[in-house]
Amino acid sequence: RKEVEQDPGPFNVPEGATVAFNCTYSNSASQSFFWYRQDCRKEPKLLMSVYSSGNEDGRFTAQLNRASQYISLLIRDSKLSDSATYLCVVNRGGTLDTGRRALTFGSGTRLQVQP
Amino acid sequence: DVKVTQSSRYLVKRTGEKVFLECVQDMDHENMFWYRQDPGLGLRLIYFSYDVKMKEKGDIPEGYSVSREKKERFSLILESASTNQTSMYLCASSFSQLAGPPHTWDTQYFGPGTRLTVL
Repeated sequence: RKEVEQDPGPFNVPEGATVAFNCTYSNSASQSFFWYRQDCRKEPKLLMSVYSSGNEDGRFTAQLNRASQYISLLIRDSKLSDSATYLCVVNRGGTLDTGRRALTFGSGTRLQVQP
Repeated sequence: DVKVTQSSRYLVKRTGEKVFLECVQDMDHENMFWYRQDPGLGLRLIYFSYDVKMKEKGDIPEGYSVSREKKERFSLILESASTNQTSMYLCASSFSQLAGPPHTWDTQYFGPGTRLTVL
């Protein structure tokens, strides 16, 4: 089983649509959770961190369910510029007081927003 | 703004050559990472370093070595390049101190990547 699993897509949606991506992770010791965005042939960039209580940043809402080890990202009112691959990312656990922790990246979910 | 730079955007090398990929960050981050990214396989961690002269193996260290002589610079070395090392190589950095709110911990910032082709 992969440590972080995502549906690769592609998700093809019209402009203005609402789209949701899900991700599951296997390491119950993970403490940090993120969504990164990666445009074609570019580096990943942090989209948002995911808080335990869930959080919103404009049109983007992230949720975390620790019991089910499940993370979600909701994009409302999709724009053409949202077309990209969205990577679900978790830290690999490790001691909380050292900060010497690596991340595990999912393979990504591709979103294509169409006019 | 965090800035992570990589020495080359594109590189073409021959099988058997020694290859150096350099990464520099200007945010005084303690942690630095090297990944490779291949279609369908996502980002895979090769090596990381949490301090000068310290290194830890990632998931796929075979065929690679690293060097961290200065805090801001982390080099990836392919001792004898092979065709299966053709890939996109990404460097990243992050803070080690767990200061600030928890949701900022572990955040990594990436360089633009080096697309390496080994012929």
